[in-house]
Amino acid sequence: AQRVTQPEKLLSVFKGAPVELKCNYSYSGSPELFWYVQYSRQRLQLLLRHISRESIKGFTADLNKGETSFHLKKPFAQEEDSAMYYCALSGSGGYQKVTFGTGTKLQVIP
Amino acid sequence: GAVVSQHPSWVICKSGTSVKIECRSLDFQATTMFWYRQFPKQSLMLMATSNEGSKATYEQGVEKDKFLINHASLTLSTLTVTSAHPEDSSFYICSAPTRGASGRGEQYFGPGTRLTVT
Repeated sequence: AQRVTQPEKLLSVFKGAPVELKCNYSYSGSPELFWYVQYSRQRLQLLLRHISRESIKGFTADLNKGETSFHLKKPFAQEEDSAMYYCALSGSGGYQKVTFGTGTKLQVIP
Repeated sequence: GAVVSQHPSWVICKSGTSVKIECRSLDFQATTMFWYRQFPKQSLMLMATSNEGSKATYEQGVEKDKFLINHASLTLSTLTVTSAHPEDSSFYICSAPTRGASGRGEQYFGPGTRLTVT
């Protein structure tokens, strides 16, 4: 069965501090991993995906197949980063159903 | 980018009645759409995959006779909650995949519909 685990419900950091949102997964085969973000009163949107290997809004995430992890990191948190972050996985291609983690609320303290 | 809309954004209905929620892809066609349910402060749980021109595929534990899904066109999927009960009160979100700016498939989410059953 496929599963995504985000151990932290809430993560509070001060502005300028590093951020790491943890995510572990289980999946039979080769999944595609994503981070989605939901800002207050807005819809869910894709932040980044492991295949792209890019940095979005200063965030990066590296897929570690050995540890089945896909942690989201940012070296210096900004106030506008405060949002709900969901780690998710699906089959490859981006057209398949998505399994979400329980989400982590990031609160950046000014 | 691609836009997915939902209607209504908020609906209140009485127990025992049925309510229909629409999900539309506004600027692209989608042969597949997905319906999720989100309880307060919880994650999105996939309910079913809506397939244009064929039956929906339901996730385990989701009552297909209670949550009727119809995908009659390439831009519209509807979710009908039949004989609604207070425990059906939730936030319902749909998504539709299409090619994103990166050139890869990407899910685009609707804004959600809040259902309150009294």
